Amino acid sequence: GQQLNQSPQSMFIQEGEDVSMNCTSSSIFNTWLWYKQDPGEGPVLLIALYKAGELTSNGRLTAQFGITRKDSFLNISASIPSDVGIYFCAGQRGNTPLVFGKGTRLSVIA
Amino acid sequence: GAVVSQHPSRVICKSGTSVKIECRSLDFQATTMFWYRQFPKQSLMLMATSNEGSKATYEQGVEKDKFLINHASLTLSTLTVTSAHPEDSSFYICSASVGGPYGYTFGSGTRLTVV
Repeated sequence: GQQLNQSPQSMFIQEGEDVSMNCTSSSIFNTWLWYKQDPGEGPVLLIALYKAGELTSNGRLTAQFGITRKDSFLNISASIPSDVGIYFCAGQRGNTPLVFGKGTRLSVIA
Repeated sequence: GAVVSQHPSRVICKSGTSVKIECRSLDFQATTMFWYRQFPKQSLMLMATSNEGSKATYEQGVEKDKFLINHASLTLSTLTVTSAHPEDSSFYICSASVGGPYGYTFGSGTRLTVV
């Protein structure tokens, strides 16, 4: 099935640094979602975006729904060790199932 | 709110046996649930869409006779892996659409190992 282009695939950063990851698509989505998955667990919703241009924050996390509706980014400020995990973007059109990115594996070095 | 409970979290079974995985929406009604499969270090791949009171819709390449889905109530969907083989070993995750700020909520996943 279709997947979104998510980058980077992996990141190794120092604790306290900011992180940025993004997803792009060749087609338009009406909803963008960002999830975090810890090992052996299901994804947990971080931020949901429903409107083009929307910029939403959740604590140290900020995500934006691109104006073209074909992209979204997620920023994490002042990273901490518990930010370690895999981050997935997901897009949706109408009532169709979510389309996922391949994930960004984040490692934080204390 | 918007909790999806998935059970069991881990299961080991012998080749040729069947395994049932349950997915329950605890505090909302889910007319539609989704079943995903995830291989190590890979993304979630949609297997099927489970609709309450009707037949599931399977993605291309997913064997409907092997992965039986039943969605008999608004709070429960089950996935049965029939005649399991080692290649069926994987992480299976269900989700339900909640709408609004909660988006899609996922279960905690089931690690299936077929020996």
